[in-house]
Amino acid sequence: EAGVTQFPSHSVIEKGQTVTLRCDPISGHDNLYWYRRVMGKEIKFLLHFVKESKQDESGMPNNRFLAERTGGTYSTLKVQPAELEDSGVYFCASSPQGRNEQFFGPGTRLTVL
Amino acid sequence: GENVEQHPSTLSVQEGDSAVIKCTYSDSASNYFPWYKQELGKRPQLIIDIRSNVGEKKDQRIAVTLNKTAKHFSLHITETQPEDSAVYFCAAPDTGGFKTIFGAGTRLFVKA
Repeated sequence: EAGVTQFPSHSVIEKGQTVTLRCDPISGHDNLYWYRRVMGKEIKFLLHFVKESKQDESGMPNNRFLAERTGGTYSTLKVQPAELEDSGVYFCASSPQGRNEQFFGPGTRLTVL
Repeated sequence: GENVEQHPSTLSVQEGDSAVIKCTYSDSASNYFPWYKQELGKRPQLIIDIRSNVGEKKDQRIAVTLNKTAKHFSLHITETQPEDSAVYFCAAPDTGGFKTIFGAGTRLFVKA
């Protein structure tokens, strides 16, 4: 079974540019989560999809962040325009319906210069 | 909402010794407590979890204990090995159960 995959693994952009991160969850997992870890701190929740619907987006920092999950399969997280403080590692995780255990992707390391 | 605090932030032990990492949570309704291990440059992976209906769970060299009254849970690693070196995160669900709140992480160093 393939695990959660994320693309790209690294992204270096300049302040003001746009970046789109992609997450492919484990096939059949209805739940998809986005997290961010900044500068060795805690893994911070951003949002949660159940299939294509946003269940909870209370962790999204501001309206420069937009997440979508068209068709309930893969998800994208777009940052526009990027700011310096957006740098960090963005993790995606998925879990099956009714299960607590979350399977994490390898993360995308975003650096905003 | 849920608040999770984790201690210590850094822990250094000699190979073969035990390591204990502690977490406290604030929401008494929380019922699921996972522990994740993140090796350098890799993804966080679930290593053990416990539900609120039990007080202890063990899997080979790792164990988790839960004290619901005091609202804290701990990870115990016995006979530590260099490959146990990693960052460990505890977590608990937020009120409503959809959002997972992570602790700040503990960087464990196991010296050979």
